Order: sequence, then structure tokens, then C-alpha cells
Amino acid sequence: QSALTQPASVSGSPGQSITISCTETINDVGTYNYVSWYQQHPGKAPKLIIYDVSNRPSGVSNRFSGSKSGNAASLTISGLQTEDEADYYCRSYTSSNYVIFGGGTKLTVL
Amino acid sequence: EVQLLESGGGLVQPGGSLRLSCAASGFTFSTFAMSWVRQAPGKGLEWVSSVSGSGGTTYYADSVRGRVTISRDNSRNTVYLQINSLRAGDTAIYYCAKDGGWGLGSGKYWFDSWGQGTLVTVSS
Repeated sequence: QSALTQPASVSGSPGQSITISCTETINDVGTYNYVSWYQQHPGKAPKLIIYDVSNRPSGVSNRFSGSKSGNAASLTISGLQTEDEADYYCRSYTSSNYVIFGGGTKLTVL
Repeated sequence: EVQLLESGGGLVQPGGSLRLSCAASGFTFSTFAMSWVRQAPGKGLEWVSSVSGSGGTTYYADSVRGRVTISRDNSRNTVYLQINSLRAGDTAIYYCAKDGGWGLGSGKYWFDSWGQGTLVTVSS
């Protein structure tokens, strides 16, 4: 069984940059290029902000960027804004678990 | 514009059943896989099930396999989730989500649109 591990919380000040990690444990590294990231504000549905590790959907701010090194994917938010305060989830695909989500990271903008 | 509208949630007693529906519009429904993702109160996202664009292939999370059936009616642009033997742990908001591709093998493994969710509460 694969799993995705995220930090429970991160924080930053307006204007700063933060990075949220998403580490895959166990196997299927070969399929770990299918990482996507979702932003969820309280009481709202999730929103896709990054797909295929580093691609941004149309309309998503270029302050959001994604990358991957080995079995660890990362979401970086630059120029933090108060509206970035939300929960962030990574998601991947593996041959054994069609869809797996990370546990989520709460971003606090101080 | 893609729109996904879930319905069918509510208060159900333990052991009961429920069928959730998700009406889709704004895209060629039959060419995209559809999924259900749930979120228990105060918890993270949990994938429940997916169905390929044709409806011929289904996928289930281990936590619900055997109790849940996903299906779709491409003539009605609607995807369904039948949940049986409901238990307290099934209490959650259930979101319908549109996949980026038609399913396993498409190489498009992301959810690019989400509905607003329907709340399922399992309690006596």
C-alpha cells in the first residue's frame, strides 16, 4: 500500500514563500508523476491548482508552482496572500490505489 | 462552464442505504471518468470510487469495497453512488468530481471540477 505524507500545518507571512511537501511511501515511484494539488477553503469544495506535478490549470495564479524530486512532490506558494489561507491536499495515482490523497496541510497566513 | 450538482444526502440510520446522484453539465459527459470523494467532519479528503467514461470500469477504495456501487447513465449525464450498510464512519460530505481523462490508461489523473457536495449523516 502506498501513502502520501504531508505536514499537518505550515505558516508564513504575507509576501513570503512557503513549500508544502508530499512524500510517497512504499512502492510505485514510477507512477508518481501523476501528482496533483488541491486548495480547499473552509466550507468550500476543493479546487485543482496543480496537475501532473507542475502544470497549472487555466486561471490559477502563477504564484502556485509544483515540483518533484524522487518520491517527494512539493507545492510552493510565492508572494503569500491572506486569501491563500486554506487546506492543501496532494493526490497521486498508483497501480494499486487508483486514487490516493495526502492527509492535508493547513496553511496559516500570519 | 462545468457544473456538478449532487443530491440524495440526508440523515440515515445505521444499516440503512442511500443513493447519491450527481448531475453534470457543460462538458461531454461520456468522455470523462467521474469520481466520488468524501470528507468526514474536520477530516481530510478520502477517495471513495471512480467510474470510467464508458461506465465499463469501476474502482473502489478498500474502505468501502463491497458496500458501495458506482454507476453512471450517460444518457442523463448523471453519476450515482449507492451506499449500503451505512455506518457512523460514513458520515461525511460526499463530493462528485470530474476526472481529467476517461479513466485508467488516460494518463490524466486529476480532478478538475468538483461539485459543492451533499452531506450524509448516519445516526440513530
